[in-house]
Amino acid sequence: DTEVTQTPKHLVMGMTNKKSLKCEQHMGHRAMYWYKQKAKKPPELMFVYSYEKLSINESVPSRFSPECPNSSLLNLHLHALQPEDSALYLCASSQDSPDTGELFFGEGSRLTVL
Amino acid sequence: GQNIDQPTEMTATEGAIVQINCTYQTSGFNGLFWYQQHAGEAPTFLSYNVLDGLEEKGRFSSFLSRSKGYSYLLLKELQMKDSASYLCAVPYGQNFVFGPGTRLSVLP
Repeated sequence: DTEVTQTPKHLVMGMTNKKSLKCEQHMGHRAMYWYKQKAKKPPELMFVYSYEKLSINESVPSRFSPECPNSSLLNLHLHALQPEDSALYLCASSQDSPDTGELFFGEGSRLTVL
Repeated sequence: GQNIDQPTEMTATEGAIVQINCTYQTSGFNGLFWYQQHAGEAPTFLSYNVLDGLEEKGRFSSFLSRSKGYSYLLLKELQMKDSASYLCAVPYGQNFVFGPGTRLSVLP
């Protein structure tokens, strides 16, 4: 199994809603990532979990809250988002740190905030 | 820090060869990755170079010169399905830093 699975694939939410994005991998990878990608731009790192501990938070607003329940799962909890938060949210995993191997990406969750 | 540069857009004809360049300035170097991303889809891994030289993988090849801070992705026998964005990326700590991406359009 070399897949990273993300759900939902599409999400539309209002600015007062609370929703969550989910990500799962069964490759035994110990690092998991959330990236945000706007149209025609490269992915931008939001969070990194290494061995289930948050190791990087790239100054992301608190309306985005990551959670790593176990080594296979990564969630991104969303609350009180703004329309400018509409983007493709990509989950990725790697064996360990990026300099030891490639990132495997999920198909992404396309978020629209109304 | 890391600074990565790529051309924004390129156009080529089906069956042709195209070279997509990537220049980088990094503090420390742990290899360079190339990813392909079709519109609305996730990036997929194409190649990884850590030593100087050319790595060939089917129709795709990737070249690295560490002394020049330069890499290129060479696509041969272009097909319509090769229309996509091509991202070079370098690992930096626990992050991958992506270049701006090159949008390649393959025309019939």
